[in-house]
Amino acid sequence: SAVISQKPSRDICQRGTSLTIQCQVDSQVTMMFWYRQQPGQSLTLIATANQGSEATYESGFVIDKFPISRPNLTFSTLTVSNMSPEDSSIYLCSVEILANNEQFFGPGTRLTVL
Amino acid sequence: AQTVTQSQPEMSVQEAETVTLSCTYDTSESDYYLFWYKQPPSRQMILVIRQEAYKQQNATENRFSVNFQKAAKSFSLKISDSQLGDAAMYFCAYRPYGGATNKLIFGTGTLLAVQP
Repeated sequence: SAVISQKPSRDICQRGTSLTIQCQVDSQVTMMFWYRQQPGQSLTLIATANQGSEATYESGFVIDKFPISRPNLTFSTLTVSNMSPEDSSIYLCSVEILANNEQFFGPGTRLTVL
Repeated sequence: AQTVTQSQPEMSVQEAETVTLSCTYDTSESDYYLFWYKQPPSRQMILVIRQEAYKQQNATENRFSVNFQKAAKSFSLKISDSQLGDAAMYFCAYRPYGGATNKLIFGTGTLLAVQP
């Protein structure tokens, strides 16, 4: 498995501002993912964060709104830009352990946009 | 496109009893992975159990076991000797085998309550 931390754990932000969420893993991993969980909903993949190249975004998510960085094999950031109340969600990062094709999740960041 | 369906929004079980959570999925692939995740109120996603589609034997992890019916595209989770700590949202998830993406496709979840 992997130990994953996220910062911040929660935040309350004003409309129109941006928030950057950090994800740190205790070991080097190839695959990192960012998911969104809207209130009372399931998880939806935003993008796959690739080290050394641009992130791969899922349909309905764009780089201008959710820019992602992946500077090394243990760290990634997700920025939620120009926020609106509809962005209020839990944002989770996950990593995949290639040896057994399992994904492990960070504790999530609860974002509230006023 | 692959989809995952959990038809039970909520379930309840008495402590020490057994409960089964249902999951069906749709895919045209023959090789893939299936998972059950647990999300307690702390919101931490915890991997409960996994199943490889090419394995006929059902996976088991202590009190948790699955009934994998590949032809029926069904993947149910059985929790035996339920404990209060099992109360959580349970998500079924599908992962393609190889390909361009390793993303997990989640069902809508089943909220499990455990009654003392």
